[in-house]
Amino acid sequence: GNSVTQMEGPVTLSEEAFLTINCTYTATGYPSLFWYVQYPGEGLQLLLKATKADDKGSNKGFEATYRKETTSFHLEKGSVQVSDSAVYFCALNYGGSQGNLIFGKGTKLSVKP
Amino acid sequence: NAGVTQTPKFQVLKTGQSMTLQCAQDMNHEYMSWYRQDPGMGLRLIHYSVGAGITDQGEVPNGYNVSRSTTEDFPLRLLSAAPSQTSVYFCASSVTGTGTVNEQFFGPGTRLTVL
Repeated sequence: GNSVTQMEGPVTLSEEAFLTINCTYTATGYPSLFWYVQYPGEGLQLLLKATKADDKGSNKGFEATYRKETTSFHLEKGSVQVSDSAVYFCALNYGGSQGNLIFGKGTKLSVKP
Repeated sequence: NAGVTQTPKFQVLKTGQSMTLQCAQDMNHEYMSWYRQDPGMGLRLIHYSVGAGITDQGEVPNGYNVSRSTTEDFPLRLLSAAPSQTSVYFCASSVTGTGTVNEQFFGPGTRLTVL
């Protein structure tokens, strides 16, 4: 079946450090890939997305590239801020009439000043 | 646009009680869904709907009922609450159709405790 695997957290970084959160997926066909972010006490917000192989999604300094050959969609940011502290979820779905998202378990990021 | 709204924000129930979690969206989205979020488990799909009058089960549907009488509303009913249903519940919505990416918009969540 389809699944998403994320690196275990929590991840603790100092401000301005480089961030990588690994995400790999198992799926048939060509799903769309997403990163969602959940700030403390809030719902999930879409951070970025990619819909086909080699697409790069980017937003707020975060980037992720859809790698079909390695079935990966790793999240990166060159210089994290305290305000980036949140839980990050990798997810996939198929477009068209089927919108169900399949989530990874989430990675909690804490950024210290 | 208010987006996706959920009520209540917090709820405490006793075992065996019933209740309905409300979800509404004003974006004219055909697709709506309910997820539960538990520590270390990520988000798991409970039920979903691809349009008014159409619902289907997700990964963890037992103990929950849904209906979709209008495009805007998608309530989730707990028939007889159990402590295992203590969780944070999120409603989400998106467009659907050929060529769409189905980016989902989430509500702020309902934190439910069953004693």
